[in-house]
Amino acid sequence: DTEVTQTPKHLVMGMTNKKSLKCEQHMGHRAMYWYKQKAKKPPELMFVYSYEKLSINESVPSRFSPECPNSSLLNLHLHALQPEDSALYLCASSQVEGTSIPYEQYFGPGTRLTVT
Amino acid sequence: GQNIDQPTEMTATEGAIVQINCTYQTSGFNGLFWYQQHAGEAPTFLSYNVLDGLEEKGRFSSFLSRSKGYSYLLLKELQMKDSASYLCAVSRDDKIIFGKGTRLHILP
Repeated sequence: DTEVTQTPKHLVMGMTNKKSLKCEQHMGHRAMYWYKQKAKKPPELMFVYSYEKLSINESVPSRFSPECPNSSLLNLHLHALQPEDSALYLCASSQVEGTSIPYEQYFGPGTRLTVT
Repeated sequence: GQNIDQPTEMTATEGAIVQINCTYQTSGFNGLFWYQQHAGEAPTFLSYNVLDGLEEKGRFSSFLSRSKGYSYLLLKELQMKDSASYLCAVSRDDKIIFGKGTRLHILP
């Protein structure tokens, strides 16, 4: 199984809503990532989890709250988002070797989020 | 900080060869990735170079010169399905930082 799955595929939410994005992989990868991608722009790293611990937070606003309940799952909890947060949210996973995680990342199909 | 530069757009003809260049300036460099991304889809891995030199994988090859901060992706025998964005990405510390991508248009 070399697949990263993400749900939902599309999400429309109001600025006062609370929602969650989910990501799952069964490749035994111990690093998982959240990226945000706006149209015609490259993916921007948001968070990195390594061995289920948050290792990188790229100064993301607190209205985005990541969670890694176990080695296969990664969530992104959303609350009080702004219209400019509308984007494609990509989850990825990779192997970890030692203390560095430079390995090939497998991306999920993404969740297209629209904030109204 | 880091700076990754690649051309915004390129056009090539079906059956031809195209080279997409990427230059980078970054501290803590581990290696360089190339990803392909079709419109509306997630990026897919093409190659990862750590050492200087050329890595060949079928129709795609990737080259790295660490001393020059330079890489290229070479695509041979172009097919229409190769129309996509090609993202150069630098691995440093625990992160992968993406360039802005090169949109490749293939003409029949």
